[in-house]
Amino acid sequence: ETGVTQTPRHLVMGMTNKKSLKCEQHLGHNAMYWYKQSAKKPLELMFVYSLEERVENNSVPSRFSPECPNSSHLFLHLHTLQPEDSALYLCASSAIGTTFGGGELFFGEGSRLTVL
Amino acid sequence: AQSVTQLDSQVPVFEEAPVELRCNYSSSVSVYLFWYVQYPNQGLQLLLKYLSGSTLVKGINGFEAEFNKSQTSFHLRKPSVHISDTAEYFCAVSDRMASYDKVIFGPGTSLSVIP
Repeated sequence: ETGVTQTPRHLVMGMTNKKSLKCEQHLGHNAMYWYKQSAKKPLELMFVYSLEERVENNSVPSRFSPECPNSSHLFLHLHTLQPEDSALYLCASSAIGTTFGGGELFFGEGSRLTVL
Repeated sequence: AQSVTQLDSQVPVFEEAPVELRCNYSSSVSVYLFWYVQYPNQGLQLLLKYLSGSTLVKGINGFEAEFNKSQTSFHLRKPSVHISDTAEYFCAVSDRMASYDKVIFGPGTSLSVIP
C-alpha cells in the first residue's frame, strides 16, 4: 500500500459522541498535517506534527485533539463537536529537511464528517 | 505573511477549448509554487510545481503554468480541456519552515467543462 490513507471516508456523529479519524502514510515522510475543508472556505491548517512533535496548532478548539504516535500515523480525536464542524478533514504528509519536492504535500482522500 | 489570490471562483469552458486559471501570490524572497487539483469526493493531487529554473512548468494531464516574478503570478493553462478536467483547482505557495512546510492555499477555482 502506498501514499496517504485516511479512515473512515465518511462519518456521521452526534454532538455527544466521541470518534477518531485515522491517517497513515507509507511515504517515509517526517511531517504530517490535518487540514479542514469547509464549503466555500479556503483550506484551513489545523495541526502539524514534525518528527512526531506538534509544531503548529492554529487556534483549533479543544474538542479536536490530535495524536501522532509515530511518524507514519496521525489521529484526530473528536469530542462534543458542533454542527459547524461538519467538513472534509484532510490529512497530508511531507518530507522536511530535503530540497527535493520543495514542500510538496501528499494528501489522503479525506474523511467527510457530518455532525448532527 | 504569504497569501494567494485566485481571481476566478468559477470558470465554465466548453470541451476542447483552451483555459487559463489565474493565480497571484504575495511577494517573497524565494517561493515554491504549486497547483493542486481536487476531483469530487477526493483529496488534493499535485498537478505541477515551480521550485526554480525554467519559468514554464509542465505538469500532468496536459497542464502547464508560467512563473512570472515581476507580476507575482503563476497562471495555469491547458490548450484543450476534457470533460474529465472538471474539478476544483488550488494554487499554493510554500514557505519551507525549519520544522515543517507551511503551505498557503488560494480559495480555489471551480472548473466546469461543458460538453
